[in-house]
Amino acid sequence: NAGVTQTPKFRILKIGQSMTLQCTQDMNHNYMYWYRQDPGMGLKLIYYSVGAGITDKGEVPNGYNVSRSTTEDFPLRLELAAPSQTSVYFCASSYGGEGWEKLFFGSGTQLSVL
Amino acid sequence: QKEVEQDPGPLSVPEGAIVSLNCTYSNSAFQYFMWYRQYSRKGPELLMYTYSSGNKEDGRFTAQVDKSSKYISLFIRDSQPSDSATYLCAMSYTGGFKTIFGAGTRLFVKA
Repeated sequence: NAGVTQTPKFRILKIGQSMTLQCTQDMNHNYMYWYRQDPGMGLKLIYYSVGAGITDKGEVPNGYNVSRSTTEDFPLRLELAAPSQTSVYFCASSYGGEGWEKLFFGSGTQLSVL
Repeated sequence: QKEVEQDPGPLSVPEGAIVSLNCTYSNSAFQYFMWYRQYSRKGPELLMYTYSSGNKEDGRFTAQVDKSSKYISLFIRDSQPSDSATYLCAMSYTGGFKTIFGAGTRLFVKA
């Protein structure tokens, strides 16, 4: 049972480049989330999804896009990368309904934009 | 003022010590209170979960919630070097899909 799988683990981008961070879960969770973690700042919610075809913005959505075409996958797209997007990105999932607040995290993607 | 405040530490204790980790919050609507443990270069993992006020115990770990003071605590008894990690408090409210995290407290347990 893999849980939440994120790829790649590390990536260096040049300013202005684009990339997609992949996230897949095999727990049949309805809810999925993208967070970024910066030193001393805790985890900030970028986007979340409560089911296939449904996404919504979190606290820090600017510069990112998401899609949710299947229950399992929730990719995060960075367009025109900027140094401010240097961070560690975590994908998470949870059950829908009761228990939604118990999050299961992937191992993260460390992204540097230079 | 941040919604959730957590002392970043680091906190260094000898093996076997009792550890107390704390968070304060400002939003009285929070109903769910969690503690996540995060090892270096890993994702957070849920350690303790409490709904509303009260205490919850799981092995060496005890979580306490005092809603009147807007204060939550995590106690670790008989701390072990394997407990060395960053501990994140987290909170959310009924009907919301957004969890608010503290900045995390880095804990070192020395053998």
